[in-house]
Amino acid sequence: VLTQPPSVSVAPGKTARVTCEGDTVISERVHWYQHIPGQAPVVVIYYDTDRPSGIPERFSGSKSGTAATLIISRVEAGDEADYYCQVWDSDSDLWVFGGGTKLTVL
Amino acid sequence: QVQLRESGPGLVKPSETLSLVCTVSGGSIDGKYWSWIRQPPGKGLEWLGFIFYSGSPNYNPSLESRISMSVDRPNNRFSLRLTSVTAADTAIYYCARLALEKRGWGPFAPWGQGTLVTVSS
Repeated sequence: VLTQPPSVSVAPGKTARVTCEGDTVISERVHWYQHIPGQAPVVVIYYDTDRPSGIPERFSGSKSGTAATLIISRVEAGDEADYYCQVWDSDSDLWVFGGGTKLTVL
Repeated sequence: QVQLRESGPGLVKPSETLSLVCTVSGGSIDGKYWSWIRQPPGKGLEWLGFIFYSGSPNYNPSLESRISMSVDRPNNRFSLRLTSVTAADTAIYYCARLALEKRGWGPFAPWGQGTLVTVSS
């Protein structure tokens, strides 16, 4: 099970942090997706900290113990979306998504 | 670049079978893993399963008795079948590509736009 806060609110220009907690986070790589309703989800961070080409440097990832964090610096209105963490649970052989966090830009 | 597109009936009756196809363009289906994910209204993402291009599937245990996936290599597409559907299967269904890399399982990328399937009589 991956636990995310249901919602995070942040003012434009500030830093947003979205957490993802679970025992599997310790041993598994975490991927993060941005999902704007009506569009296809897009990976913004993969393997805990890597950023795909085309994703702004404002997006970064970190991990410590059982918690992974997606960090969005200098938040913009266009960052408003649902964010999901994901891991491959190698003990159970299945992919697990966090419950998702709705990021609201005030 | 690789693009995926889901297609299939938007309305399925309870107890019947949901069938969707994901067509891959801009690249070959060969050598890759392909997955299905869904999102019920107002809820989060749920992984349904994945299948290797040669046909070895891995299903979410919660659906294992009702789900099957297959690959149509000549037509560069893969399919999802979900039997005995109920209203709880109403969702946007997405297909996506994933890769098994040296560092382990990569992310799902890219995804299709998704297709809404409603289960109702």
